[in-house]
Amino acid sequence: DAKTTQPPSMDCAEGRAANLPCNHSTISGNEYVYWYRQIHSQGPQYIIHGLKNNETNEMASLIITEDRKSSTLILPHATLRDTAVYYCIVRVALTDKLIFGTGTRLQVFP
Amino acid sequence: DAGVIQSPRHEVTEMGQEVTLRCKPISGHNSLFWYRQTMMRGLELLIYFNNNVPIDDSGMPEDRFSAKMPNASFSTLKIQPSEPRDSAVYFCASSPGGGRRTEAFFGQGTRLTVV
Repeated sequence: DAKTTQPPSMDCAEGRAANLPCNHSTISGNEYVYWYRQIHSQGPQYIIHGLKNNETNEMASLIITEDRKSSTLILPHATLRDTAVYYCIVRVALTDKLIFGTGTRLQVFP
Repeated sequence: DAGVIQSPRHEVTEMGQEVTLRCKPISGHNSLFWYRQTMMRGLELLIYFNNNVPIDDSGMPEDRFSAKMPNASFSTLKIQPSEPRDSAVYFCASSPGGGRRTEAFFGQGTRLTVV
């Protein structure tokens, strides 16, 4: 299973963009990058996923480098409610398995 | 849809007792997952089913843990006998599965305390 590496914590000012990096240097060609977040003790919540092209939805943007060895999740205008642990996951090829790492704890401050 | 429904939300039991956690996946979803979350080990995948069949149970910690999915709308995770180190939040999740690359939806979890 491809391993991901994320910084343990980050801060962001409310209203500013939050850029969360993730390294996945051993990713295979048919493996997707997924991002989830977990607010306090709730169940993890899906944010976005991608294969090789950049993706955008109502929650965030996902930028994947051309070599696919790293990606960045962008929350364009962070709010206090975006304070959470953010997980970058490489989805195991040809299965539905999602293996969570330790994630990045994002603290948005006023 | 009400989402993934887990019961109970909280469970306190004595060491040695049997504990059964329940999960109702989203209707139409073919894949179901059981996760365990602790401070020390984070979110661990215990087992996952596809079309009611266990596909990968390599994360199940030991024989005291067992999971079943008798039909597409119900799954159980059983611990017998329970031990204090089993205290954790247990999450169930479901996804459409079948190779479609879509997201998994998580329930609100069951917080288990074994005393």
